[in-house]
Amino acid sequence: NAGVMQNPRHLVRRRGQEARLRCSPMKGHSHVYWYRQLPEEGLKFMVYLQKENIIDESGMPKERFSAEFPKEGPSILRIQQVVRGDSAAYFCASSPLRELDYGYTFGSGTRLTVV
Amino acid sequence: AQRVTQPEKLLSVFKGAPVELKCNYSYSGSPELFWYVQYSRQRLQLLLRHISRESIKGFTADLNKGETSFHLKKPFAQEEDSAMYYCALSEGRSYKLIFGSGTRLLVRP
Repeated sequence: NAGVMQNPRHLVRRRGQEARLRCSPMKGHSHVYWYRQLPEEGLKFMVYLQKENIIDESGMPKERFSAEFPKEGPSILRIQQVVRGDSAAYFCASSPLRELDYGYTFGSGTRLTVV
Repeated sequence: AQRVTQPEKLLSVFKGAPVELKCNYSYSGSPELFWYVQYSRQRLQLLLRHISRESIKGFTADLNKGETSFHLKKPFAQEEDSAMYYCALSEGRSYKLIFGSGTRLLVRP
C-alpha cells in the first residue's frame, strides 16, 4: 500500500494562475481531508470530502478555492487566480472512517510557491 | 475558541538528556489529544494519542485536565528523535484536528 499520494511535491505558480493539487487516498479509505500550513503556523483544516460529496468546507476560503473527490480518480484542491498569500504547504489525509478512531494517514504534502 | 499552544519553536538538548515538549490547549468539552511527528523529508505521522495511554519510542504524554496540558516527555533523548513535533486536538471523536504551531526538537550528540 503506497499510502496517501500527493502530487506534485512542489508547485510554482505566478500570481493570477491556477493551482491544482492532487491527492490519492490510501486503498480502502473513502474519507479525505485537506489541511493548509502557512509559514510558522500549524496545520489548519480546510475541507472534508467523501466520494462525490463535500461534507465540511468550513475551513475553505470563500473565494477562489474549491475541492472535489470524484467517483473515479484523486481528490483535487483547486486554487484559482493565486496570490502570494496562498504560498503554503497543503497536506491531504485520509481515513477509513469518519471518526479518528483509526487516525489519519497524511500525505507528504504539496508546497505551493506563488511568485 | 479551541486552540492548541506550543510555546517553544525550538528545543535543543544533548543526547541522553530528558525532553519535555510543552502543549497547552483551550477547549471546554472533552477533547482528544494527539502528538504527531515529522522527521526530516518524511510525512507527518501519529506518534501517540492520550486515550491509548501508551509509550511510543520512549515518549509518553499525560493529559492534565486541570492545567489543560498534554506535554510530551522522554527521559533520555536520542539523536534520531530530532524532528518537528505537533500537538493536536479533536473535539471528542470528531474528524477535525486543531494543530499547534509545532516545536522543532534538536538532539545534539
